[in-house]
Amino acid sequence: SQTIHQWPATLVQPVGSPLSLECTVEGTSNPNLYWYRQAAGRGLQLLFYSVGIGQISSEVPQNLSASRPQDRQFILSSKKLLLSDSGFYLCAWSVRTGGVNQPQHFGDGTRLSIL
Amino acid sequence: GNSVTQMEGPVTLSEEAFLTINCTYTATGYPSLFWYVQYPGEGLQLLLKATKADDKGSNKGFEATYRKETTSFHLEKGSVQVSDSAVYFCALSNSGGYQKVTFGIGTKLQVIP
Repeated sequence: SQTIHQWPATLVQPVGSPLSLECTVEGTSNPNLYWYRQAAGRGLQLLFYSVGIGQISSEVPQNLSASRPQDRQFILSSKKLLLSDSGFYLCAWSVRTGGVNQPQHFGDGTRLSIL
Repeated sequence: GNSVTQMEGPVTLSEEAFLTINCTYTATGYPSLFWYVQYPGEGLQLLLKATKADDKGSNKGFEATYRKETTSFHLEKGSVQVSDSAVYFCALSNSGGYQKVTFGIGTKLQVIP
């Protein structure tokens, strides 16, 4: 069966520090991968998605970047964190198909607090 | 573009009460529809799905029917438990190269004993 892992689970960082959040998927090949942010009490905001190694699309301009160095690895980064980067970050994957629309499957999330 | 509308809540119910969370959508083509559940401090879990009109998705006592004529996918459960307390997200997926999913804002459900 497929599993998705995110780490760390929680992170407290000072303003201006760098960030690296990692997500890996097991049990599937060539997945679509996604990064979302969920602000407190709010819905989900899609940040990045990837349909293949090295292929990254950004949904909103921001202080963050994403990379996909391997087929099942997705990394969210920042060179200098802002207070507004605080939130709950979720990684997700979906099967890449040209047919029936597939659901996305989520990791357990990373709670990021910026001080 | 695509959109999903659901009540934000919170919805507060007593244990064993009947639950309905309304969801309506706007989309082109023939989207698939989903309900996700998020327990406190966790990621989203797929609760149920429906891929075409009149399909009924069901799981763990929850049900939702894909109504194309009313563009709705309301979530129902006959008897809620305290353990059902969570945030519920309605979502749709439309044909796209990267399987984009559009989420509603989420409805918080609180079940009291």
